[in-house]
Amino acid sequence: EAEVAQSPRYKITEKSQAVAFWCDPISGHATLYWYRQILGQGPELLVQFQDESVVDDSQLPKDRFSAERLKGVDSTLKIQPAELGDSAMYLCASSDRTGGAGIPGRNTEAFFGQGTRLTVV
Amino acid sequence: SQQGEEDPQALSIQEGENATMNCSYKTSINNLQWYRQNSGRGLVHLILIRSNEREKHSGRLRVTLDTSKKSSSLLITASRAADTASYFCATYNFNKFYFGSGTKLNVKP
Repeated sequence: EAEVAQSPRYKITEKSQAVAFWCDPISGHATLYWYRQILGQGPELLVQFQDESVVDDSQLPKDRFSAERLKGVDSTLKIQPAELGDSAMYLCASSDRTGGAGIPGRNTEAFFGQGTRLTVV
Repeated sequence: SQQGEEDPQALSIQEGENATMNCSYKTSINNLQWYRQNSGRGLVHLILIRSNEREKHSGRLRVTLDTSKKSSSLLITASRAADTASYFCATYNFNKFYFGSGTKLNVKP
């Protein structure tokens, strides 16, 4: 069964250091999402790609976060410099916009990777 | 915010009992979905209900959707200890998913 791959699973970094996360979506999924999930809360969207283009990065702290999806396939999310408040789970998800049914939206679901648990010390 | 809001925030039941979680949202949607998240793991898709549907079943799961009230419910029947997890509703519209804050379910053996 196709899966969204993320690495690393766990990352401990010191504050002010740089850290990067990688995501490989399900093959053929044009839409890729990066979410941040603070313990006890729901996922919050950081950035959304449609193919290689960013379509929403309104909640991305652009002074320290960057994301790219150069060939419209896998994606990297970077934090530089990391701060204590960045400790969270970073989730990647992908979706097929039509849900495979040819009707935009009706059957679209998001498929999530296992996430990267980031701890900034 | 377009996020869904789940109710209750936490639920503790005995194995074999039914668990009901509710979700309310604010805007029109294409579909609404429920996800499960075990501690420290990613989200697993459980069930999707389209905006033109009112009820859907999958195994021990039953989802209802009332678009006039902008609300949904997830019923897990005959719960098991393995159902212990956080459950999130997510609304989908305009190519975006919006998640609520989740219901933490604890099923005691």
